[in-house]
Amino acid sequence: GQQVMQIPQYQHVQEGEDFTTYCNSSTTLSNIQWYKQRPGGHPVFLIQLVKSGEVKKQKRLTFQFGEAKKNSSLHITATQTTDVGTYFCAASREGGTSYGKLTFGQGTILTVHP
Amino acid sequence: GAVVSQHPSRVICKSGTSVKIECRSLDFQATTMFWYRQFPKKSLMLMATSNEGSKATYEQGVEKDKFLINHASLTLSTLTVTSAHPEDSSFYICSARDLIYEQYFGPGTRLTVT
Repeated sequence: GQQVMQIPQYQHVQEGEDFTTYCNSSTTLSNIQWYKQRPGGHPVFLIQLVKSGEVKKQKRLTFQFGEAKKNSSLHITATQTTDVGTYFCAASREGGTSYGKLTFGQGTILTVHP
Repeated sequence: GAVVSQHPSRVICKSGTSVKIECRSLDFQATTMFWYRQFPKKSLMLMATSNEGSKATYEQGVEKDKFLINHASLTLSTLTVTSAHPEDSSFYICSARDLIYEQYFGPGTRLTVT
């Protein structure tokens, strides 16, 4: 079945440093979504990327979708303590009864030291 | 944004008993809801897709007789963990998909089986 590999598993940064998490798939993805889960909380939708080479920004967050639509990244500039949490990428399965089902990457746990 | 609720948020039950978890979309109709399971510091694993008015579809390796799903209305899906055992202890999260196919996650239910 579809697999999405996400690295790194953990990232510890000092406040103000940048952070990047990467997702890779062996198959072409129709789209990719990014979620943030705070400790003890539930995943919260951040963004969806659909187009090849797409780049979207949300304040200090930059999301990219690779040209081949097999990889994606989330970059946070100048991290803040409020950025702490686990960041997941998720690929949507397409076609027939699989439509809308998400395959999640392993997640990257981000800790930010003040 | 859209709101999805889950009840209960936490439940402790004895081994051998059954537990029902409710997932409700509060301000939109969801023809499809998804049930996920998450172990500590791990990713979300899709268990099943709940379709209003029809049988749920289960992912490979998920026992349908163990995890009973009922999608009785466009705003309610229930997951019943039957004859629960300690290995069923986990964080169960539902998500609901709206008409434009965005997914919104519930706050999750932490199940502990003693």
